[in-house]
Amino acid sequence: DVKVTQSSRYLVKRTGEKVFLECVQDMDHENMFWYRQDPGLGLRLIYFSYDVKMKEKGDIPEGYSVSREKKERFSLILESASTNQTSMYLCASSLWGSGSETQYFGPGTRLLVL
Amino acid sequence: EDKVVQSPLSLVVHEGDTVTLNCSYEVTNFRSLLWYKQEKKAPTFLFMLTSSGIEKKSGRLSSILDKKELFSILNITATQTGDSAVYLCAVGGDYKLSFGAGTTVTVRA
Repeated sequence: DVKVTQSSRYLVKRTGEKVFLECVQDMDHENMFWYRQDPGLGLRLIYFSYDVKMKEKGDIPEGYSVSREKKERFSLILESASTNQTSMYLCASSLWGSGSETQYFGPGTRLLVL
Repeated sequence: EDKVVQSPLSLVVHEGDTVTLNCSYEVTNFRSLLWYKQEKKAPTFLFMLTSSGIEKKSGRLSSILDKKELFSILNITATQTGDSAVYLCAVGGDYKLSFGAGTTVTVRA
């Protein structure tokens, strides 16, 4: 069974704080993804990574950065949290190559920025 | 820009009813269409479809893809309260998935 874990289920931060969200997968997947999910907007891709130390911007990267130092770990960083970053954050992983589109999701981190 | 549109946005049915969810898409370099079910936690994978006209089934759930008309449907027959969830449609392109906004299904006993 694929297991994707996220460091926190709920997080409350203040405006301007630096926030780290961590994601770990145990299936040796090459690809990892960070999404945010907001009501009525579905899942929107923030960043993804297809290899260690590689990263690609998704659809909404502004205000975020990522780090992938090890294959199993993908971190999302909010350099200076703002209230409009209050959201549910979902991490996912998948294999590389044709037919590998199936992504497996972590439980999510619900972030509240005050 | 890739686009995935799901309809309806929400619906309420009674146990035993049949539900049909729609997903239309415009995606460059289409590779696959996926359906996920999301309760109050991580989305869980239901189906991946790559070929037109081939129905995929899992119990009371089934799905089919039409690559000419660029849409897919997800059917749930004999609905149960445990089917209450958000159903997400996602289309796979180059390295990533584009998601629709989801359809919220509520099944009343």
